[in-house]
Amino acid sequence: DAGVTQSPTHLIKTRGQQVTLRCSPISGHKSVSWYQQVLGQGPQFIFQYYEKEERGRGNFPDRFSARQFPNYSSELNVNALLLGDSALYLCASSLVDLATEAFFGQGTRLTVV
Amino acid sequence: AQKITQTQPGMFVQEKEAVTLDCTYDTSDQSYGLFWYKQPSSGEMIFLIYQGSYDEQNATEGRYSLNFQKARKSANLVISASQLGDSAMYFCAMSRPKFTGNQFYFGTGTSLTVIP
Repeated sequence: DAGVTQSPTHLIKTRGQQVTLRCSPISGHKSVSWYQQVLGQGPQFIFQYYEKEERGRGNFPDRFSARQFPNYSSELNVNALLLGDSALYLCASSLVDLATEAFFGQGTRLTVV
Repeated sequence: AQKITQTQPGMFVQEKEAVTLDCTYDTSDQSYGLFWYKQPSSGEMIFLIYQGSYDEQNATEGRYSLNFQKARKSANLVISASQLGDSAMYFCAMSRPKFTGNQFYFGTGTSLTVIP
């Protein structure tokens, strides 16, 4: 079975631009979460979706938004990119909302120049 | 507030030896989950082991075991018989299932290097 897949794997954007990152969870998984990992730090929670509803939002500005589609895939959008948005963006999926394991994708490495 | 602390920025271990990676957490919740993930240089977070706060026995998964000391709020990862492929960053994480589902709070990580 395919694991969590994220696209694209690498991305370079200019300050002020907008970016959309995509995540396909493991088949059957209904919960998707997004994390930002800045170099040298642990991942920081951005959003969680379960059954297409937003279940939580981390301490990120409104420039960050996300959604989950009927097939449980998800998109993370970031508007008005700043240099500080440069990071590895990770998507995690789990079967249910209160899972005892969650599986991550390989991440999208975003560089803002 | 929830907090995960990993005090060892870097660790070295001889191949085939055991190593313990430290993790302490701070929460007032009674119900929580503790996770360990491995992150190789490729970036993907690989799930290693899970411990629920109500689990009385320490979790084990192959060469990985979690030394859970609830009163001390510690959840150390023990890797037995280290292999060269174990060289990576290791992150401890906590979830608050009753309040925030699968939202994880991560520590800053420990870089493990296995020496031949």
